[in-house]
Amino acid sequence: ETGVTQSPTHLIKTRGQQVTLRCSSQSGHNTVSWYQQALGQGPQFIFQYYREEENGRGNFPPRFSGLQFPNYSSELNVNALELDDSALYLCASTPGVGDTEAFFGQGTRLTVV
Amino acid sequence: GQQLNQSPQSMFIQEGEDVSMNCTSSSIFNTWLWYKQDPGEGPVLLIALYKAGELTSNGRLTAQFGITRKDSFLNISASIPSDVGIYFCAGRVGSARQLTFGSGTQLTVLP
Repeated sequence: ETGVTQSPTHLIKTRGQQVTLRCSSQSGHNTVSWYQQALGQGPQFIFQYYREEENGRGNFPPRFSGLQFPNYSSELNVNALELDDSALYLCASTPGVGDTEAFFGQGTRLTVV
Repeated sequence: GQQLNQSPQSMFIQEGEDVSMNCTSSSIFNTWLWYKQDPGEGPVLLIALYKAGELTSNGRLTAQFGITRKDSFLNISASIPSDVGIYFCAGRVGSARQLTFGSGTQLTVLP
């Protein structure tokens, strides 16, 4: 186990709704990144949070937003859900913003119908 | 953006055989990582490589950071049934925040 926990594990939402996914980083890790993994593909970077601020963003629209809390846990929010948002959402933590070895949680499987 | 070309896309091997997979890129990477992902789980870090030419082992797994810094390979020796899964390469370019992932190699080990 990596010590990174995500909730919920599975979620079904309707197109147009909003969703919040949660992540608790590994103890001592202050940097959290979120990835989207579509079926049959590798994870794609959404954004990273460090010291409660967004610290880098991939090619995702503004309806994907996030938060990081003082205890380093994080949330991913997606508004106006689209069918193509159906994917496994992965949270990864690293000890520090400059560290490379990212440790992933088990992911949240989001299905948009 | 950067892209990683991972091959092969899938492999079917007999238990006990050795396996090799690789990733190439048109960009120079500062770090190469290899992950394994089981169904319904997140990727698990297997090996991390930080210097061109570096060769690192983790049990039956061996990975190398290519000297051009544009490629990496992963070898698995004497495969066993629990090696089944999807293997991903991932790399970091310069000071980029994110990891760029390959498309994965689906490994099936036949008894």
